[in-house]
Amino acid sequence: EAGVTQFPSHSVIEKGQTVTLRCDPISGHDNLYWYRRVMGKEIKFLLHFVKESKQDESGMPNNRFLAERTGGTYSTLKVQPAELEDSGVYFCASSQAASGNTIYFGEGSWLTVV
Amino acid sequence: GQSLEQPSEVTAVEGAIVQINCTYQTSGFYGLSWYQQHDGGAPTFLSYNALDGLEETGRFSSFLSRSDSYGYLLLQELQMKDSASYFCASQPDSSYKLIFGSGTRLLVRP
Repeated sequence: EAGVTQFPSHSVIEKGQTVTLRCDPISGHDNLYWYRRVMGKEIKFLLHFVKESKQDESGMPNNRFLAERTGGTYSTLKVQPAELEDSGVYFCASSQAASGNTIYFGEGSWLTVV
Repeated sequence: GQSLEQPSEVTAVEGAIVQINCTYQTSGFYGLSWYQQHDGGAPTFLSYNALDGLEETGRFSSFLSRSDSYGYLLLQELQMKDSASYFCASQPDSSYKLIFGSGTRLLVRP
């Protein structure tokens, strides 16, 4: 069974540009989460989808961040325009409600804004 | 607010036992999870405690005391491959959203 996959694994962009990160959750997982780890700090929650609906987006830092999950399968996280402080690792995770509290993470998309 | 405190770094010898503590302050609490992350890799689920007591999974055990807002991860028979970062994470509600601690970097020496 394929795990959570994320693309790109690494991205370097200039301040003011746009980047779109993609996440493919484990097949059949209704719950999809985005997290971010900035500058060695703790991993912070960004938002939670249940199928295609945003269940909780309380962690989204500002309106430069837009997450979508059309069709309830893969998700994208767009940062537009990117700022220096957006640099970090963006993790996607998924879970199936029936599986209890096990959340499966991808390896992350490393974003560097220069 | 939501916060979890854990030591930033722990060093131990191969074959030894190490305990990584975690104290939490959260407005809601359903349970405490532990994740392992090797450099550049994905955080990997280790264990989850919803009730007080000890949960054992092979060489790893996790403990929770809800009255003390405290938990720990116990790693026995340490191996070199256990060198990694370990995160405690609280579940504040039923949505499985996680609040992470800042992580403990474990270094296992020969």
